[in-house]
Amino acid sequence: RKEVEQDPGPFNVPEGATVAFNCTYSNSASQSFFWYRQDCRKEPKLLMSVYSSGNEDGRFTAQLNRASQYISLLIRDSKLSDSATYLCVVNIAFSGGYNKLIFGAGTRLAVHP
Amino acid sequence: EAGVTQFPSHSVIEKGQTVTLRCDPISGHDNLYWYRRVMGKEIKFLLHFVKESKQDESGMPNNRFLAERTGGTYSTLKVQPAELEDSGVYFCASSPYVSSLVTDTQYFGPGTRLTVL
Repeated sequence: RKEVEQDPGPFNVPEGATVAFNCTYSNSASQSFFWYRQDCRKEPKLLMSVYSSGNEDGRFTAQLNRASQYISLLIRDSKLSDSATYLCVVNIAFSGGYNKLIFGAGTRLAVHP
Repeated sequence: EAGVTQFPSHSVIEKGQTVTLRCDPISGHDNLYWYRRVMGKEIKFLLHFVKESKQDESGMPNNRFLAERTGGTYSTLKVQPAELEDSGVYFCASSPYVSSLVTDTQYFGPGTRLTVL
């Protein structure tokens, strides 16, 4: 079983749509959680961190359920520029101040006019 | 401020040859990480340096891979001899050192796309 599971998609949605991505993780020692965005042939870039209380950044809302080991990302009012692969990432922190990121395989989003 | 840089951006080599990838982290970042994405798979951790010391190399595939970070600045990842399954995109990331369990953000370089023929 993969440590971080995501629906690979692709999700094809029209501009203005609301789209939700889900992710589950298996390591209960996971300390923190992120959504990264990766454009084609580019490096992953941090989109937002995910907190238990849920957090929002403009059109993006992230949610974490530790009991279910489940993470979500909601994008409202999709723009063409949102087309990318969204990576669910969990972080396992070790004493000594370093951490290891575990990536999901990503969910591809294609927003069309 | 300059971001993480990697060189080369692309490398095409034949099976059995040697390739060396370079990563320059953000200035002042003690943590340096190498990751790899093989076609169709997720990005996977390879190893982690804190300054010049290897903190965790549990993700290194085998002894054909050698990473160094002499002086605690830039890092190199050498593959010798390269095999077909080594093809993929190799990412480097860096982060500042923290003294607690609070996570710091890792900043990724643009990656090196390696093709082994």
